[in-house]
Amino acid sequence: EPEVTQTPSHQVTQMGQEVILRCVPISNHLYFYWYRQILGQKVEFLVSFYNNEISEKSEIFDDQFSVERPDGSNFTLKIRSTKLEDSAMYFCASSGRWSGANTEAFFGQGTRLTVV
Amino acid sequence: KNEVEQSPQNLTAQEGEFITINCSYSVGISALHWLQQHPGGGIVSLFMLSSGKKKHGRLIATINIQEKHSSLHITASHPRDSAVYICAVGRYGGSQGNLIFGKGTKLSVKP
Repeated sequence: EPEVTQTPSHQVTQMGQEVILRCVPISNHLYFYWYRQILGQKVEFLVSFYNNEISEKSEIFDDQFSVERPDGSNFTLKIRSTKLEDSAMYFCASSGRWSGANTEAFFGQGTRLTVV
Repeated sequence: KNEVEQSPQNLTAQEGEFITINCSYSVGISALHWLQQHPGGGIVSLFMLSSGKKKHGRLIATINIQEKHSSLHITASHPRDSAVYICAVGRYGGSQGNLIFGKGTKLSVKP
């Protein structure tokens, strides 16, 4: 069964460093998303991406964050200068095999980011 | 006030019991999702529904749009069902994937 793959599973970084979280969505999906979950809290929407541009972003997704689909298969989330409060589990998800389809999202296993 | 409320927050059941988890929401929605989060953190989508009822194996999800309420039922529960169950809604008019998540219901099924 096709799945969303995220790497690395765990990333430790120093405050102020840049990190890139990588995701390989399901190959024929058109819609891509990033979410985060701070330990002990609920999952929060960060950004949705379609047709090579951001469809919508939350207040959390400020100038420190960016997303990219560099090569047609990977979908990345970059945090330019990490802060302690960026420590969280980051989930990538994808959905929609055709434009306009509102279908359930398939989630990756998550990347646990720890900022020290 | 949270836009998506789940109850109960924690639930312990004996193997074989029928389980119900409830979700109420306060916004107009395009769809409601039930998700399962395993102890390791991974999330699996169980259902997406916008009306009526869906069934998959021992899992049943229902939604009442007028009452802004959904339930997830697990029949003949098993210890492997132990996980956090999360309700999430897509706000009407929002982009796909812009979901508002509940805090989750932690289910523990004892053998």
